[in-house]
Amino acid sequence: AQSVTQLGSHVSVSEGALVLLRCNYSSSVPPYLFWYVQYPNQGLQLLLKYTSAATLVKGINGFEAEFKKSETSFHLTKPSAHMSDAAEYFCAVDGGATNKLIFGTGTLLAVQP
Amino acid sequence: NAGVMQNPRHLVRRRGQEARLRCSPMKGHSHVYWYRQLPEEGLKFMVYLQKENIIDESGMPKERFSAEFPKEGPSILRIQQVVRGDSAAYFCASSPRTSGEGETQYFGPGTRLLVL
Repeated sequence: AQSVTQLGSHVSVSEGALVLLRCNYSSSVPPYLFWYVQYPNQGLQLLLKYTSAATLVKGINGFEAEFKKSETSFHLTKPSAHMSDAAEYFCAVDGGATNKLIFGTGTLLAVQP
Repeated sequence: NAGVMQNPRHLVRRRGQEARLRCSPMKGHSHVYWYRQLPEEGLKFMVYLQKENIIDESGMPKERFSAEFPKEGPSILRIQQVVRGDSAAYFCASSPRTSGEGETQYFGPGTRLLVL
């Protein structure tokens, strides 16, 4: 069965600093992986997804993620944090035949001025 | 193109009442997923529906919860005899399912249910 683990429920960075949000997956088949962002009291917005076309995936708002099979990881990065990046970020894996998404527990990103 | 719409955005019910949550998928999407987000937790899959069919309800509680997606109209998630533990944010997502695996799901803004 597929699963994802997000290390660090809270991450705080300074404005302009590197953002690194960690996600490790477990899957018996080649996974399809997603990063979503959730702003307070809103729904989820897709940042990027990995579907095996390229291991480095570029998303919206300057975010990118690299799929590393050897490490079973799909960490999310952004070179320079902006105040508007403060939100909760969820990693998810496609759960198989019905494409239901299996989510991690989320990482709340705070950006300090 | 309007996104996924959910209503109401906020719903307050007393214990024992019924809650009815509605989801209108994006235009052209005929596949709907419901997820529940409990406080301080990630989203958990509940049910996957196509028009007039429940495809996967493996995440639905066995009692009090039901879902439908009729030929016409929105998808409905119904919770009978609500209890305080049902307080959560309920999200609907839709997809066209044109490419199968790895299909993007588009999420609505959610319905935040509070049971008093």
